[in-house]
Amino acid sequence: AQSVTQLDSQVPVFEEAPVELRCNYSSSVSVYLFWYVQYPNQGLQLLLKYLSGSTLVESINGFEAEFNKSQTSFHLRKPSVHISDTAEYFCAVSERSSASKIIFGSGTRLSIRP
Amino acid sequence: EPEVTQTPSHQVTQMGQEVILRCVPISNHLYFYWYRQILGQKVEFLVSFYNNEISEKSEIFDDQFSVERPDGSNFTLKIRSTKLEDSAMYFCASSGGVADYGYTFGSGTRLTVV
Repeated sequence: AQSVTQLDSQVPVFEEAPVELRCNYSSSVSVYLFWYVQYPNQGLQLLLKYLSGSTLVESINGFEAEFNKSQTSFHLRKPSVHISDTAEYFCAVSERSSASKIIFGSGTRLSIRP
Repeated sequence: EPEVTQTPSHQVTQMGQEVILRCVPISNHLYFYWYRQILGQKVEFLVSFYNNEISEKSEIFDDQFSVERPDGSNFTLKIRSTKLEDSAMYFCASSGGVADYGYTFGSGTRLTVV
């Protein structure tokens, strides 16, 4: 079985500051890793995913995450945040097989201060 | 970009009533899922569905819940006799069969049981 731990329930940062949202996972099998974003009163949107290959993956809006197998981590980073990045961010994991369910972490609420 | 469509966006029902939540997955996807998110909590897996049968379900998905794909496009979640604790946001998701396609989520149905 897989599990995901997001240690920070809330992360307040100032606009244009860098941010890191931490994610650690646990699994006895190989996994795929995801970050989803949920803007206020909206659904879940895929931000980025790690399937294989390069351990550094990027999103179109400047976020990146690095898969670290030895530390079982998949932390999300952005060098300079914007007010519009205010949202809940969920790290998620699934088994490396077709149709395996996604297991979500408890989420990190990112709040950006002007 | 293809979307997963959920209706209604918000449903209020009395305790003990039956509700049906509807989803139209992405047309060429093969795997379908329901998740729920109780207010302020993590997103929880309920059930996965493939080839017209349940492939996996969680402990939450008890006898009060059922899923159905009545035609080639719809995927429904039925709660037979709603309880107050069923109040949550319910998300439908679909996948092309491997995580490479990603899991696409709908915008959710907010169910309020009164």
